[in-house]
Amino acid sequence: DADVTQTPRNRITKTGKRIMLECSQTKGHDRMYWYRQDPGLGLRLIYYSFDVKDINKGEISDGYSVSRQAQAKFSLSLESAIPNQTALYFCATSDAGTGKEKLFFGSGTQLSVL
Amino acid sequence: DQQVKQNSPSLSVQEGRISILNCDYTNSMFDYFLWYKKYPAEGPTFLISISSIKDKNEDGRFTVFLNKSAKHLSLHIVPSQPGDSAVYFCAARDSRGSARQLTFGSGTQLTVLP
Repeated sequence: DADVTQTPRNRITKTGKRIMLECSQTKGHDRMYWYRQDPGLGLRLIYYSFDVKDINKGEISDGYSVSRQAQAKFSLSLESAIPNQTALYFCATSDAGTGKEKLFFGSGTQLSVL
Repeated sequence: DQQVKQNSPSLSVQEGRISILNCDYTNSMFDYFLWYKKYPAEGPTFLISISSIKDKNEDGRFTVFLNKSAKHLSLHIVPSQPGDSAVYFCAARDSRGSARQLTFGSGTQLTVLP
């Protein structure tokens, strides 16, 4: 089983719909992240959480919200999806100890907003 | 303004030859650099890293070189193998602040031809 699991793998939705992307991990890491990948732009940080009670905005948080339900679960919500949120979304985790910059990624969720 | 740039979107190399992937950065406060590799339909995986106090780090066929004065790092793969065909992202950590988030480049698609 994958250490970082994202669901769904693919999602097509319509403009204005609310959508949630889910992430769970079995690595026991405290830190969790949501990134999006767009062609030519690399990976950009949306939100991150260093523990269950800690939520921080990243570089591109507008239009998104997150919930850290447990140490192992971190979900990303689009309250009212718009077409420019079409992207590949990655959840990642890292250890708070040495090597915390080493991220472990899920397989991604391809989201299309029509 | 992208602080981490990978100016070559793609690179093709013959099997057995050297692959050199380049990355430039603008932020002088970056103190730690990483390379990630990404196969299609998978999340990025950590490959190799280097601290700003070093100018070279080697791990098997992979070597990362850092030139701080030029704000340039490169990843050398010798010898290149077809299984190395993937997208390679460089990333950099800002030494300031408690979060010290990673900034990613836009990626380089490496194709190793048999």
